[in-house]
Amino acid sequence: NAGVMQNPRHLVRRRGQEARLRCSPMKGHSHVYWYRQLPEEGLKFMVYLQKENIIDESGMPKERFSAEFPKEGPSILRIQQVVRGDSAAYFCASSPPGGDSQETQYFGPGTRLLVL
Amino acid sequence: GENVEQHPSTLSVQEGDSAVIKCTYSDSASNYFPWYKQELGKRPQLIIDIRSNVGEKKDQRIAVTLNKTAKHFSLHITETQPEDSAVYFCAAEGQAGTALIFGKGTTLSVSS
Repeated sequence: NAGVMQNPRHLVRRRGQEARLRCSPMKGHSHVYWYRQLPEEGLKFMVYLQKENIIDESGMPKERFSAEFPKEGPSILRIQQVVRGDSAAYFCASSPPGGDSQETQYFGPGTRLLVL
Repeated sequence: GENVEQHPSTLSVQEGDSAVIKCTYSDSASNYFPWYKQELGKRPQLIIDIRSNVGEKKDQRIAVTLNKTAKHFSLHITETQPEDSAVYFCAAEGQAGTALIFGKGTTLSVSS
């Protein structure tokens, strides 16, 4: 059972370009979370998605950032017109569908975005 | 929203000693508290978690305690080894009942 997959692992963009980060959850997992980690800091929640639905995007900047999790294919985190401050590691996590209790989140290897 | 404070930010111990990392949270509705270990350049990996219906959980050299009244939980590592050196993050379930809110991390260094 493959773990959470993310690609690319490293991404270099110039200011003003677009960055697309992809996440394939673990088999059987229908919940995807995106987190951002700045150097020597903790993980900050950005957005929580289920298939074709954004459940909670309270941690995502209102401008330039968007996320989707289509019926088929990976979840995509899209950053338009990147700025230097977007340089960070972006981690995706997935969890299985749960009932009333929180399910364990398993993290992917991350995408390290560098904006020049 | 939920806020998680983690202490200390750095911790240095000798091999064989115990290490304790403490976290407090603000949302009394939170019910799930995982701990993740992150080695340099790697993904966070779950090492242990606890839910609010228990006060303590142990897995070999690692244990977690939870005090819901005081809204704090702690990670205990006994008989530390150099390979325990990493950054440890505590987290609490966010208000939405889904997102995790993380502490800022503790860099643990175990010297032999």
